[in-house]
Amino acid sequence: KNEVEQSPQNLTAQEGEFITINCSYSVGISALHWLQQHPGGGIVSLFMLSSGKKKHGRLIATINIQEKHSSLHITASHPRDSAVYICAVRGTGNQFYFGTGTSLTVIP
Amino acid sequence: GAVVSQHPSRVICKSGTSVKIECRSLDFQATTMFWYRQFPKQSLMLMATSNEGSKATYEQGVEKDKFLINHASLTLSTLTVTSAHPEDSSFYICSAIRSPTYEQYFGPGTRLTVT
Repeated sequence: KNEVEQSPQNLTAQEGEFITINCSYSVGISALHWLQQHPGGGIVSLFMLSSGKKKHGRLIATINIQEKHSSLHITASHPRDSAVYICAVRGTGNQFYFGTGTSLTVIP
Repeated sequence: GAVVSQHPSRVICKSGTSVKIECRSLDFQATTMFWYRQFPKQSLMLMATSNEGSKATYEQGVEKDKFLINHASLTLSTLTVTSAHPEDSSFYICSAIRSPTYEQYFGPGTRLTVT
């Protein structure tokens, strides 16, 4: 069983749609990261959060520590948002666990 | 923002040779760096945790004698794939941890092809 589960695995949306990607985890954590990986392979850390909610532009990340769940929302999606989004958690022992990623395609 | 570089970005080598990949944090000191590998259409797999001044900690199933990690300074960690075989062909990514916030910054990755 994976310590971090993401859903959906694949997601196709029309430009402008509101998108949600979910992440559930089973370990105690110090922080949760949302990462974005573009087709070229480069990875960008979008958010690091340990409670509540963070917003950056059209991206919003929320976390519910009690439910061990986080969501990444993209408002007014755009084709340039097409990427793989990975949820990663840092455990209380500073080890990292990664979800399998959500492949998002936004169609113009 | 913080930048992490990797060198080389791509490397092709013959089976049996060794390849060194460098990971540098360019504008901050990183006592901890991570090395990952990624197979096509799969997520990141943590290989090892590299700590400056001490031996790396390897994940279960990762051969420490095959994947040599040296964290020589607060801005440089190297991964050497020894006696490479075609099955070692993969995308290798490093990340560096910035204290005290523990934010993680990723390198652009190195694509290794062993022929």
